[in-house]
Amino acid sequence: QSALTQPASVSGSPGQSITISCTGTSSDVGSYNLVSWYQQHPGKAPKLMIYEGSKRPSGVSNRFSGSKSGNTASLTISGLQAEDEADYYCCSYAGSSTNVVFGGGTKLTVL
Amino acid sequence: QITLKESGPTLVKPTQTLTLTCTFSGFSLSTSGVGVGWIRQPPGKALEWLALIYWNDDKRYSPSLKSRLTITKDTSKNQVVLTMTNMDPVDTATYYCAHHNGRTFYFDYWGQGTLVTVSS
Repeated sequence: QSALTQPASVSGSPGQSITISCTGTSSDVGSYNLVSWYQQHPGKAPKLMIYEGSKRPSGVSNRFSGSKSGNTASLTISGLQAEDEADYYCCSYAGSSTNVVFGGGTKLTVL
Repeated sequence: QITLKESGPTLVKPTQTLTLTCTFSGFSLSTSGVGVGWIRQPPGKALEWLALIYWNDDKRYSPSLKSRLTITKDTSKNQVVLTMTNMDPVDTATYYCAHHNGRTFYFDYWGQGTLVTVSS
């Protein structure tokens, strides 16, 4: 069982927006603004999409955005495209004892 | 340009010790704030963080695996080594190493991963 809870799957049609939630606790997501999101296509390494909760690395489309409320972080993808179909993982700093926790991953299907 | 590549055995027997090497380029592990981490992913399952080592030799381990893991660095060779003892079939996974930004806590560059199968 992963430390951060994500929905197993979400889906949307091209052009639509979807949001993936990532629920932690007051020991991780709720205490630190250090949530990152990763996109993983089948057979590929994960790719950083969002860091510090809402910042985009250079080269990542502005269709990807992140936010946080309380113990839950969210990744929103607007203007869905076929290439967005992938698995998405959230990750958070969890203090000096636990350090790093990942979510269980969400499979995004573009209908 | 930052690159990382994992190397090591593709098959290990139960109870054996796994040694994986991450060879990187494009950054120095002596630069303040820089770290290298190991993350694994069993087939069809989620990512799981294993260990981190920082520029100052600070080492962090997953609490659930801490007793089995050792992470070390060789700055002169641009390598980070992870050892995992007492391997079990449930440890079968793709093992990734990744460049870690220790200031704002994310993994921004990943190796291609290496699949390790544990079987007798």
